[in-house]
Amino acid sequence: DGGITQSPKYLFRKEGQNVTLSCEQNLNHDAMYWYRQDPGQGLRLIYYSQIVNDFQKGDIAEGYSVSREKKESFPLTVTSAQKNPTAFYLCASSIFGEGETQYFGPGTRLLVL
Amino acid sequence: RKEVEQDPGPFNVPEGATVAFNCTYSNSASQSFFWYRQDCRKEPKLLMSVYSSGNEDGRFTAQLNRASQYISLLIRDSKLSDSATYLCVVNGGTSYGKLTFGQGTILTVHP
Repeated sequence: DGGITQSPKYLFRKEGQNVTLSCEQNLNHDAMYWYRQDPGQGLRLIYYSQIVNDFQKGDIAEGYSVSREKKESFPLTVTSAQKNPTAFYLCASSIFGEGETQYFGPGTRLLVL
Repeated sequence: RKEVEQDPGPFNVPEGATVAFNCTYSNSASQSFFWYRQDCRKEPKLLMSVYSSGNEDGRFTAQLNRASQYISLLIRDSKLSDSATYLCVVNGGTSYGKLTFGQGTILTVHP
């Protein structure tokens, strides 16, 4: 089955700790995205990547980092610099280009201990 | 002004009712428009794209008014399974396909 997988489903972070969220897709999509969703709010773009070895900051990139070493993978690291990391993190992918539909993975819920 | 604004909701309707959601967007350069559905604690899933001529998919009808920068979604004959949050989503007119999401409107269909 083609799709997007994210792991883990739930993640707990201690103060001062960096954590990495996994996102993998086998849809052969060029573009991948990371969003953050807070209760009662719309999704906000953290980072996006249009091609391997290239990525760009979204609207709320501070405290996050990404890499895109493989087409299939776009991991997100939540660093200790992100002071309010508790949220629902969603990864998406699409065919490259304007207006293309984005498909989402099941999400990772990050909680701070 | 928010880039994408939706009816605040929540909407509570009986089964069989017709319900309409509205959405306005601020970027006149926007080219693509979508409605996504999000179930509680799940990922958003594409419900339908919205075309200038309007489009229908079964009980769902989407309309776009570019002059007024307005999008709507009409659900006829509501089912219990339609209960979800409906997200209005607009492509920002950029080359990289940035999507801007509304905050969502909660729909609850009751027996």
